Amino acid sequence: DAKTTQPTSMDCAEGRAANLPCNHSTISGNEYVYWYRQIHSQGPQYIIHGLKNNETNEMASLIITEDRKSSTLILPHATLRDTAVYYCIVRVGSLKTSYDKVIFGPGTSLSVIP
Amino acid sequence: NAGVTQTPKFQVLKTGQSMTLQCAQDMNHEYMSWYRQDPGMGLRLIHYSVGAGITDQGEVPNGYNVSRSTTEDFPLRLLSAAPSQTSVYFCASRITLGTGGSGYTFGSGTRLTVV
Repeated sequence: DAKTTQPTSMDCAEGRAANLPCNHSTISGNEYVYWYRQIHSQGPQYIIHGLKNNETNEMASLIITEDRKSSTLILPHATLRDTAVYYCIVRVGSLKTSYDKVIFGPGTSLSVIP
Repeated sequence: NAGVTQTPKFQVLKTGQSMTLQCAQDMNHEYMSWYRQDPGMGLRLIHYSVGAGITDQGEVPNGYNVSRSTTEDFPLRLLSAAPSQTSVYFCASRITLGTGGSGYTFGSGTRLTVV
């Protein structure tokens, strides 16, 4: 699976949009981009994923560049509860992948400031 | 659905002791896995299972055993605990997402200290 790079930390004012970037320049054509977050001391939580097109759900939006080498997770109106570590990962989206070596890097520590 | 349930939440072991970390899911997921998380190192895959009776090693399997006798349960056994196994352990199972691909549901973790 491709590796990703993310900034170590970011700050965002409460109520503003938080834009978290991720570079995945070696991504393959069949690899999806996934975003998870981990609030202190809890298990990681799935946020959103996509392959080529931009995606939106109740939690966030995912913008993937046309060449798929980078993406941005957008939290439209950040709240204090969005303070967490955000992980960007890429992996093949196969139900029968036999070896699912999902690599979680250190992620981006987002601090939402009042 | 309860999701992924891990027990215990906290455990202190002495060096050389053995124990089993329990993981259960009620979502009928075929795929389950164990990760450990250490400060500054992200999540590292210990063992995984693609279905009952099938397990395989991940990145850091040494010192750990697993078995998968049922779809619901995937216990992780520490044979002889060492201080290097002090960590937070997460169990995860894989779901199918509507637009293709598959994501994970994680348990709340087991915080293990080996003294």
